[in-house]
Amino acid sequence: DAGVIQSPRHEVTEMGQEVTLRCKPISGHDYLFWYRQTMMRGLELLIYFNNNVPIDDSGMPEDRFSAKMPNASFSTLKIQPSEPRDSAVYFCAIAGGYSGANVLTFGAGSRLTVL
Amino acid sequence: GQQLNQSPQSMFIQEGEDVSMNCTSSSIFNTWLWYKQDPGEGPVLLIALYKAGELTSNGRLTAQFGITRKDSFLNISASIPSDVGIYFCAGRGGSNYKLTFGKGTLLTVNP
Repeated sequence: DAGVIQSPRHEVTEMGQEVTLRCKPISGHDYLFWYRQTMMRGLELLIYFNNNVPIDDSGMPEDRFSAKMPNASFSTLKIQPSEPRDSAVYFCAIAGGYSGANVLTFGAGSRLTVL
Repeated sequence: GQQLNQSPQSMFIQEGEDVSMNCTSSSIFNTWLWYKQDPGEGPVLLIALYKAGELTSNGRLTAQFGITRKDSFLNISASIPSDVGIYFCAGRGGSNYKLTFGKGTLLTVNP
């Protein structure tokens, strides 16, 4: 995960609270992706950006989810208000640059538990 | 949308045995990727395939892009305990950059 730093690594919160997950790409990239991983549904693409612009957000579950990428070195995924069914591991991944657009490099993930 | 069927869901093998897993798609893919995920970490790329029929190796790992472009397999030869983890296939079709992931194959290697 040398190319992507995610924080927090673990978060436990109560239903109704706002959750903000952060992603800091370190290496060069053109694309940034947010994925959610659960036992039931596996890895699901939520949204991806190209050159900081959101390209496809069709995977975002509902209006409670929002993502921003104010610059090439930072992105956030926000859930407001959070619900127990949002409990999952959220991954940020980058692609492009030297590795090419086809190859995704994942961060270590943020494990979210909503009580 | 595109769907991937990955099998088997889990495997329990003895150290030294060979392993094979595969993925099939409901639609044609232009790219197949194989990832491995260790506990508490994100998936790490093992092999990338870009052409139908392509056969690529990475050490003890070998993967192929099916001729029909709707399937791919991954073989691991002479398994070792550190091969334990979840293996995912992923595919991309069309001109966008969205990857569809399989549900994963959980591999356990008994020493």
